[in-house]
Amino acid sequence: NAGVTQTPKFQVLKTGQSMTLQCAQDMNHEYMSWYRQDPGMGLRLIHYSVGAGITDQGEVPNGYNVSRSTTEDFPLRLLSAAPSQTSVYFCASRPDSPNTGELFFGEGSRLTVL
Amino acid sequence: SQQGEEDPQALSIQEGENATMNCSYKTSINNLQWYRQNSGRGLVHLILIRSNEREKHSGRLRVTLDTSKKSSSLLITASRAADTASYFCATVYSGGYQKVTFGTGTKLQVIP
Repeated sequence: NAGVTQTPKFQVLKTGQSMTLQCAQDMNHEYMSWYRQDPGMGLRLIHYSVGAGITDQGEVPNGYNVSRSTTEDFPLRLLSAAPSQTSVYFCASRPDSPNTGELFFGEGSRLTVL
Repeated sequence: SQQGEEDPQALSIQEGENATMNCSYKTSINNLQWYRQNSGRGLVHLILIRSNEREKHSGRLRVTLDTSKKSSSLLITASRAADTASYFCATVYSGGYQKVTFGTGTKLQVIP
């Protein structure tokens, strides 16, 4: 039972490089989201999606793009990485809205931007 | 801005003691949830309390919710070393179910 799978677990980028953090879930959840976690800041919502083809911004969307072409996948793209994007990124999902229940989290992707 | 703020930021207790963490939030909510995060791992859901509930229990966990004060508390009774982790409250807005907003967390250390 895989749940929410994030890849890669670790990544080092240089300023200006681009990359995509992958998130896949096998629970047929319609809602998926991306958070970043920084020391002393808790988790902050970057983008979320309530179903295939539907995405919206969270608290800190600048510098990040998302798309949702399938129910299973919700990739997060950094088009031009900046040191301020050094963080741990978490993907989370839950059954469809308006279900407001628990989120299921991946194990995180630790990104360092030099 | 963060919806939830937790206190204390850090808590250190002896095994067997009770641990209490508090969460305050800013706007009307549909429900409030508590999550646990072991070091270097993802968050795991512990318990959910809805806005029309005042108290909820799950094993050694007791959660209270005071919507008039916009606050919640999480009590862990008879703590164990394995309870050492960070604990986060998360709120679901009553007007927008899509955004789940997390607090800054309480880091709990249980000393054997």
